Amino acid sequence: KAGVTQTPRYLIKTRGQQVTLSCSPISGHRSVSWYQQTPGQGLQFLFEYFSETQRNKGNFPGRFSGRQFSNSRSEMNVSTLELGDSALYLCASSRGVGETQYFGPGTRLLVL
Amino acid sequence: GDSVTQMEGPVTLSEEAFLTINCTYTATGYPSLFWYVQYPGEGLQLLLKATKADDKGSNKGFEATYRKETTSFHLEKGSVQVSDSAVYFCAALTLYSGAGSYQLTFGKGTKLSVIP
Repeated sequence: KAGVTQTPRYLIKTRGQQVTLSCSPISGHRSVSWYQQTPGQGLQFLFEYFSETQRNKGNFPGRFSGRQFSNSRSEMNVSTLELGDSALYLCASSRGVGETQYFGPGTRLLVL
Repeated sequence: GDSVTQMEGPVTLSEEAFLTINCTYTATGYPSLFWYVQYPGEGLQLLLKATKADDKGSNKGFEATYRKETTSFHLEKGSVQVSDSAVYFCAALTLYSGAGSYQLTFGKGTKLSVIP
């Protein structure tokens, strides 16, 4: 069974631009969560989606948004990029809410 | 709020040495507990898990026991190899009350280097 896939793997953007990251969960998994990893803040929860509904959002500004499609694939969007948004963005999927989460390889975003 | 505390690194060990990485948590109720491992340039891989008190998770020679009384989930391995060099994260799957939603709360990670 294929694992969680994330595209693109690497991105370079400039301040003020926006970016969309994509995540395809493991087949049969309906819950998708997103995390931001930085050297200073470590791993921080961004959002959780289940059945196309955002069920939870971490302490991030409104510039961070996301959605989930009927096939459970998810996208996250960051608008008006700031230097501090440079990070590894990790997607995780689970069969259902409250179950073990399996991570993808991440998208490394660099904002210049 | 919920939190996970794990020992600060980096940890450097010789091959075949014994490894312990301490992890304690603060959470409402009894969360499921996990150890994830991250190799350079990669995402997180699930190493092991435990879902209730006194459960022991094990995988690839690594073990951790869910201790409710001490709110701990320490990672151990009897004989480390060079290939175990990575960053290890302890995590608790905690309930975000009122929303029926869960999120992983992570420790800051412990970098392990194993030298031949």
